[in-house]
Amino acid sequence: GIQVEQSPPDLILQEGANSTLRCNFSDSVNNLQWFHQNPWGQLINLFYIPSGTKQNGRLSATTVATERYSLLYISSSQTTDSGVYFCAVERAGGGADGLTFGKGTHLIIQP
Amino acid sequence: GAGVSQSPSNKVTEKGKDVELRCDPISGHTALYWYRQSLGQGLEFLIYFQGNSAPDKSGLPSDRFSAERTGGSVSTLTIQRTQQEDSAVYLCASSLMFSVETQYFGPGTRLLVL
Repeated sequence: GIQVEQSPPDLILQEGANSTLRCNFSDSVNNLQWFHQNPWGQLINLFYIPSGTKQNGRLSATTVATERYSLLYISSSQTTDSGVYFCAVERAGGGADGLTFGKGTHLIIQP
Repeated sequence: GAGVSQSPSNKVTEKGKDVELRCDPISGHTALYWYRQSLGQGLEFLIYFQGNSAPDKSGLPSDRFSAERTGGSVSTLTIQRTQQEDSAVYLCASSLMFSVETQYFGPGTRLLVL
């Protein structure tokens, strides 16, 4: 199946800092989503971005499908941004594979 | 509108008992997915439904697991003769159509098998 690698695995930043999270995947995809898992375990949709660039407030994401990676940018970090960020993909032509998740980036924003 | 809901939110059971987990998708979403999140395996896909049909059940961990969906809406995931390794958070998601659509996740059911 498709492989998804996220980096870095852990990131500790001060409030106000900017960060870039990366997601590499091993095959063509027709679905790529970024999620934030909050401390209660809820997966919150950030972006649906199989290609291109999107922005939503302090967050933005870029997927370069031809080079098989996606980046999530967080600007002016706040303590509420803490949590685990997951990238998940669905292989193009994959049939019934569902989403394959990376292991996540654990982000801690310190006040 | 309402998001994906799951019940129960927490379930503690004894090894060997059967459990049933329920998922209510977003109204109008035809595709429904089940995932499992555990410490050892991360987030893994189990099964999906397009309408009431589950074309591929190969992602289910063992034959003790089964799932059904009725009326194109509510789905239940049943685990028979639970084992300790079944302890995990079971997540349900739905999307407007299968594939190439945003999947929206429910809050999950935390299952603990003693």
